[in-house]
Amino acid sequence: ETGVTQTPRHLVMGMTNKKSLKCEQHLGHNAMYWYKQSAKKPLELMFVYNFKEQTENNSVPSRFSPECPNSSHLFLHLHTLQPEDSALYLCASSQDPSGENTGELFFGEGSRLTVL
Amino acid sequence: RKEVEQDPGPFNVPEGATVAFNCTYSNSASQSFFWYRQDCRKEPKLLMSVYSSGNEDGRFTAQLNRASQYISLLIRDSKLSDSATYLCVVKGSSGSARQLTFGSGTQLTVLP
Repeated sequence: ETGVTQTPRHLVMGMTNKKSLKCEQHLGHNAMYWYKQSAKKPLELMFVYNFKEQTENNSVPSRFSPECPNSSHLFLHLHTLQPEDSALYLCASSQDPSGENTGELFFGEGSRLTVL
Repeated sequence: RKEVEQDPGPFNVPEGATVAFNCTYSNSASQSFFWYRQDCRKEPKLLMSVYSSGNEDGRFTAQLNRASQYISLLIRDSKLSDSATYLCVVKGSSGSARQLTFGSGTQLTVLP
């Protein structure tokens, strides 16, 4: 069983809806990430949080809004999305004592999002 | 040019075959290299790191050629359970490049 849990596993929403994706890690890690995975495309890094502080925002549109209330929980708030935002959204965590990514990410199973 | 480029496949091989995947990267300053594995409808998981001298883990051998900027993964005596997508991953040395850059993956199907 994965140490990173994501909910919901599947989400269908209209373009005017507001929804949130949730991620929780049980590994005691200090860094958490949101990635987007579209068919036949590489994983795209969206956001990075280290010790609850956002350290990376990879030019993500403002209709995606992350929130990290503590080092174990990460949210991705979704608002007025577009059909091209349909993808698998993966949360990951890692142990980065110095803020350096060691290379090993632990992923959740993902939230598959469909925007109608 | 893509930062990390892989042959998407699919590679369909019989059980017991040896199969090799290559991956090229564009940033010569890249410092660390990895192979991840992603099963169908599952999350990616670290398979192995790639060291300059090459390294082996059971049936899996990873090699790095810095001069040519490519990484390889060799799977010997392939099993049905090796069927998955193999992701080449590169880590830079500074700034946002400290984060991992993923290739699109190479799909492998091992046939009985």
